[in-house]
Amino acid sequence: DIQMTQSPASLSASLGETVTIECRASEDIYSNLAWYQQKPGNSPQLLIYDANSLADGVPSRFSGSGSGTQYSLKINSLQSEDVASYFCQQYNNYPYTFGAGTKLELK
Amino acid sequence: QVKLLQSGAALVKPGASVKMSCKASGYTFTDYWVSWVKQSHGKSLEWIGEIYPNSGATNFNEKFKGKATLTVDKSTSTAYMELSRLTSEDSAIYYCPLFLGAFDYWGQGVMVTVSS
Repeated sequence: DIQMTQSPASLSASLGETVTIECRASEDIYSNLAWYQQKPGNSPQLLIYDANSLADGVPSRFSGSGSGTQYSLKINSLQSEDVASYFCQQYNNYPYTFGAGTKLELK
Repeated sequence: QVKLLQSGAALVKPGASVKMSCKASGYTFTDYWVSWVKQSHGKSLEWIGEIYPNSGATNFNEKFKGKATLTVDKSTSTAYMELSRLTSEDSAIYYCPLFLGAFDYWGQGVMVTVSS
């Protein structure tokens, strides 16, 4: 199975700040990577697919980048509604696997 | 618009089975894979498997083979997952996401509690 190592596990940032979350795959996943946001009590929601494509309706302050085994999610100008957990997921190989998640809080 | 409406929470005894549903609407049900994902309390997400409604073809995470059975009813655009021989380790929220480019749409989740 492909292991997805996500960092940091938790993150505290101020409103308006830029934050970056990293995800490293145990092998090349050829940009078959998605990022999800999950707020407490809710289902995950797709933010980014194919490593850098913004899902419909997602604010442009979210962006994804990376290739090979290294990927990142950047949130520009952090808003209060961005407080959530974030997960990366590879869908290059079965079984699809997720990172352990990053919990983003406001400082 | 695409909707995935899952069945309600379940409280089941150890050793029993539970079957949950995921009713799809807003798209052609037979055209896209439907997955099932487990989220244990406070933890990350595990992909259980997927089913292609048109043919009934399935792919599974080895970890869940023998534990999960996936089926569909094309007449009602509903996907089902049955979990067998339940233990406390199966207590979790189970989601049915729809794979388009990634897991674009998710059901609201079913909370399963295994307790005597």
